[in-house]
Amino acid sequence: GAVVSQHPSRVICKSGTSVKIECRSLDFQATTMFWYRQFPKQSLMLMATSNEGSKATYEQGVEKDKFLINHASLTLSTLTVTSAHPEDSSFYICSASKPGVELEQYFGPGTRLTVT
Amino acid sequence: AQTVTQSQPEMSVQEAETVTLSCTYDTSESNYYLFWYKQPPSRQMILVIRQEAYKQQNATENRFSVNFQKAAKSFSLKISDSQLGDTAMYFCAYLFYSSASKIIFGSGTRLSIRP
Repeated sequence: GAVVSQHPSRVICKSGTSVKIECRSLDFQATTMFWYRQFPKQSLMLMATSNEGSKATYEQGVEKDKFLINHASLTLSTLTVTSAHPEDSSFYICSASKPGVELEQYFGPGTRLTVT
Repeated sequence: AQTVTQSQPEMSVQEAETVTLSCTYDTSESNYYLFWYKQPPSRQMILVIRQEAYKQQNATENRFSVNFQKAAKSFSLKISDSQLGDTAMYFCAYLFYSSASKIIFGSGTRLSIRP
C-alpha cells in the first residue's frame, strides 16, 4: 500500500497565530513530499516541493517565510502557517512519492484551515 | 510553460449512461505523463488512470478509459456505465518527469450522476 495521513484534518486558529500541519507516509519512505493549496471549487495549486534533509523549493508567489516547510525525515513533512490571516483559510493537501516511482504521487486526505 | 485546460466546469448524466470529460494540454515536451484524478466529496484525491505519452495504446481501467490524441494534445476520459459513486470532481493532470517533477492540474470538472 501507499498511505499518506495528515493531521489535523480540521483546525481553527485565531488571526496572528501559527498553525502546524503534519503529513506522514505511513507505509513507505517518501523521497519527495508536495504541499498543495485548494480554494473552494478550485483546483490544486502546488505551493512547494520538499525533499528530506534539504530546503523546500517554493513555487512562484508563495511566501517561504509565511509557509514554513520542514521535511525532517523520510516519513514526515510539516507545513507551518505563520502569523495566519483569514485569507490563509483554505484546504491544504500533501502528497508523497516513493523512491524510484517519483511519477506516482499519493495524496493525503487534506487539512481544512480556518483562520478567524 | 505547460498548461492543462478543462473546458467543462460541470456535467450531469443519468446513472448507467456513458460520459466523456474533455481535457487539452500544452507542452513542448515529447515524453510526459497524463493523469485523471477523482476528488469525491471526502476531498481525498484518487488516481483514476494514467497514460504515458510514449504509448500509443489508450489506457483503460475497468469502466474508465481515455482517448489520448498526442498530436492534438487531447486527453479525454470516458466513464462507461456510470455509477452514483462516480459523482466527484475530476482533474486532468500533466507531469513532465524530470529531477523537478511536479504535477500540473486542470481546473476540474464537477460530475454529477443522477439516480
